[in-house]
Amino acid sequence: NAGVTQTPKFQVLKTGQSMTLQCAQDMNHNSMYWYRQDPGMGLRLIYYSASEGTTDKGEVPNGYNVSRSTTEDFPLRLLSAAPSQTSVYFCASSLDKTRGYTFGSGTRLTVV
Amino acid sequence: RKEVEQDPGPFNVPEGATVAFNCTYSNSASQSFFWYRQDCRKEPKLLMSVYSSGNEDGRFTAQLNRASQYISLLIRDSKLSDSATYLCVVRYNTDKLIFGTGTRLQVFP
Repeated sequence: NAGVTQTPKFQVLKTGQSMTLQCAQDMNHNSMYWYRQDPGMGLRLIYYSASEGTTDKGEVPNGYNVSRSTTEDFPLRLLSAAPSQTSVYFCASSLDKTRGYTFGSGTRLTVV
Repeated sequence: RKEVEQDPGPFNVPEGATVAFNCTYSNSASQSFFWYRQDCRKEPKLLMSVYSSGNEDGRFTAQLNRASQYISLLIRDSKLSDSATYLCVVRYNTDKLIFGTGTRLQVFP
């Protein structure tokens, strides 16, 4: 049981490049989330998905896109990377509203 | 005003000390409450849920005061391994959790 798996762990991008951060969970959780964490800002929600086939914007969705075509996978796409997207990205999943989240180990992204 | 506010610390305490963190939340409709622990450069991990009647898990005690809209975490007999950032988390009537920015704890020998 791997929990929530994120790849890659580290990534350096040039401004304007696009890429996809992968997230997969093997716990059959309905809900999945993408957060970014910046110093002094805490965890901010980018996008979330309450179930397969549905997605909703969070607090900071601009410059990102997501899809949820399977229960297991919730990839986050950076459309055109900007230095302001330099951050640590965490994917998380949750079985239902009463539970906390299980987080992946994060992706450290630097945009130069 | 932030939805969830915490004192960033750091709290520097000796081994064996008792330390308490408070957290306030702005939305009275908040329904679920949690404390997470985050080690440096690691992902947050669920420490404990917080129930209305208060709850204890070993050396950790969590309390909820709905009237004043604050949550507390008490750590007794602090260990070096307790050094971490503690995140206060609330959920409204949605799937989404709102995270505080965290309180840093450093336990020294």
